[in-house]
Amino acid sequence: DTGVSQDPRHKITKRGQNVTFRCDPISEHNRLYWYRQTLGQGPEFLTYFQNEAQLEKSRLLSDRFSAERPKGSFSTLEIQRTEQGDSAMYLCASSLGGADHEQYFGPGTRLTVT
Amino acid sequence: GENVEQHPSTLSVQEGDSAVIKCTYSDSASNYFPWYKQELGKRPQLIIDIRSNVGEKKDQRIAVTLNKTAKHFSLHITETQPEDSAVYFCAARGYSTLTFGKGTMLLVSP
Repeated sequence: DTGVSQDPRHKITKRGQNVTFRCDPISEHNRLYWYRQTLGQGPEFLTYFQNEAQLEKSRLLSDRFSAERPKGSFSTLEIQRTEQGDSAMYLCASSLGGADHEQYFGPGTRLTVT
Repeated sequence: GENVEQHPSTLSVQEGDSAVIKCTYSDSASNYFPWYKQELGKRPQLIIDIRSNVGEKKDQRIAVTLNKTAKHFSLHITETQPEDSAVYFCAARGYSTLTFGKGTMLLVSP
């Protein structure tokens, strides 16, 4: 395990469809974060987990978004009824410890909603 | 919540020159300030960070300074090289998560 991995790397979907992304963090990392990044912007925090517990969600995260980390290892982010405004890069990051520890980012999943 | 402003949005320098990127934050309780570098099409990677009990930190050609009173921190890159060309993001840790600035595209011309 050499780093954080994400799958798929690219996803094109039609408006109204549901999509699910997967993130596999570095194995010993207990924290896992999801961010969204659009062109010309920094990563925007969506939600994070400590082990299997989802501890915080951004108000950016509408009811159409849900995330899980069932066994404290990999995580999934689902977007229901996708909208064109959901088009973005979805980044996952993991860390060993709190938010003042280095976060290691995955390569991201680029979502395009047509 | 935390708000991070980053300037400039674009910075062009000649190889060998120094580059400075500045950020301000709003939450006086923030205590951790990392800088990430993102090359085109790649993931963000941490290049240096500083905690609120320290005023300056250096790592070879890279340094970060923090002024807690003014709530601003800066990234300094000396002797820039073409491979330093990338987008740089500052961030601040508020209560439990990081808030990122909008990024600075640094272009280093040979």
